[in-house]
Amino acid sequence: GENVEQHPSTLSVQEGDSAVIKCTYSDSASNYFPWYKQELGKRPQLIIDIRSNVGEKKDQRIAVTLNKTAKHFSLHITETQPEDSAVYFCAASVGTALIFGKGTTLSVSS
Amino acid sequence: DAGITQSPRHKVTETGTPVTLRCHQTENHRYMYWYRQDPGHGLRLIHYSYGVKDTDKGEVSDGYSVSRSKTEDFLLTLESATSSQTSVYFCAIRDTGPHNSPLHFGNGTRLTVT
Repeated sequence: GENVEQHPSTLSVQEGDSAVIKCTYSDSASNYFPWYKQELGKRPQLIIDIRSNVGEKKDQRIAVTLNKTAKHFSLHITETQPEDSAVYFCAASVGTALIFGKGTTLSVSS
Repeated sequence: DAGITQSPRHKVTETGTPVTLRCHQTENHRYMYWYRQDPGHGLRLIHYSYGVKDTDKGEVSDGYSVSRSKTEDFLLTLESATSSQTSVYFCAIRDTGPHNSPLHFGNGTRLTVT
């Protein structure tokens, strides 16, 4: 079945720096790749997604890139702020479900 | 809010007892999912449903069963709870269409099995 690997598991940056989180997937049939942000004690919430017919998508300070040949996709956050501190999950579609990576804890210090 | 209500929000139960968690949606979506979240493991799919009475297993389905007798409710049952099932359980619904659309999560149920 699908396997989604996410790196790094923890990431600490200074406010204003960029943060990059990378994921790889195994199922070449996967065609939808969302990213979720989860604050402590809250539910995961979608922050950006990308479909397989697109190589890059940007929304203000957040961008996602997809390399289908290499089966990897990345989340880029620029000009990080303390409120970006959270756990971030990548996911890949498998049929009608999503399989998630294990998460990255991002800490932004001011 | 995606119109998803999970109940109960917290539950403590003893090993060997049956437990049922409920997910209720007001969006009339076809697809519903149960995930569990544990430190170091992220979100793992337990079961999902693609319509009334239509369900399928996910990554970690052993020890769990589900039922969906009407569109708005998706029940997760632990027939005989074990300590390894202590976790936070999230229900999710899928947006328009079956593919290429995001899941929206409920607020979770924290289950402790003593």
